[in-house]
Amino acid sequence: SQKIEQNSEALNIQEGKTATLTCNYTNYSPAYLQWYRQDPGRGPVFLLLIRENEKEKRKERLKVTFDTTLKQSLFHITASQPADSATYLCALALSNDYKLSFGAGTTVTVRA
Amino acid sequence: GAGVSQSPSNKVTEKGKDVELRCDPISGHTALYWYRQSLGQGLEFLIYFQGNSAPDKSGLPSDRFSAERTGGSVSTLTIQRTQQEDSAVYLCASSLARANYEGYTFGSGTRLTVV
Repeated sequence: SQKIEQNSEALNIQEGKTATLTCNYTNYSPAYLQWYRQDPGRGPVFLLLIRENEKEKRKERLKVTFDTTLKQSLFHITASQPADSATYLCALALSNDYKLSFGAGTTVTVRA
Repeated sequence: GAGVSQSPSNKVTEKGKDVELRCDPISGHTALYWYRQSLGQGLEFLIYFQGNSAPDKSGLPSDRFSAERTGGSVSTLTIQRTQQEDSAVYLCASSLARANYEGYTFGSGTRLTVV
């Protein structure tokens, strides 16, 4: 069956450090992968998209990698700040499908 | 509007009652999605609307769930004879295109509690 797995444990890091989140998937051949941020009581907010033919994408302090051989995406938050504390979700879509399939998310807490 | 608006933000209902959840997508967004998020779980796809095409209802968990989208804009998700397992946050999202490469815009959700 298809499965999307993110870091099962919450991530606690010191301000200024880099947070690295993983998203592993099985039985998918996604056309693209997206990362979202979700704060308590709010809907997810789109952050980044990376296509299957792209290895890396950056946006400000965020970096996403996509390895279709390992079936894994890594999401990095560099120079982390307490305001980066949130739950981060990865989502996959197939090329012939419009529905996004989401992981359960990883909660990041950045300590000042 | 500036964003996706959902109402009510919270709903407590008794088991067996019907509920209606409303979603106002971003003006001009032709695609509309409903997802459900249970505590500690990923988002579960429920239904998708695109323009005037027939909706994709493949994610609806039972025939107690239905949804409609009027005039290509506002959408209503109806749950009949609610059960305790229906308790979750129901999220609506919209996007510009069918093959969306710009990400979804989500509303803040409706937290449904069935008692």
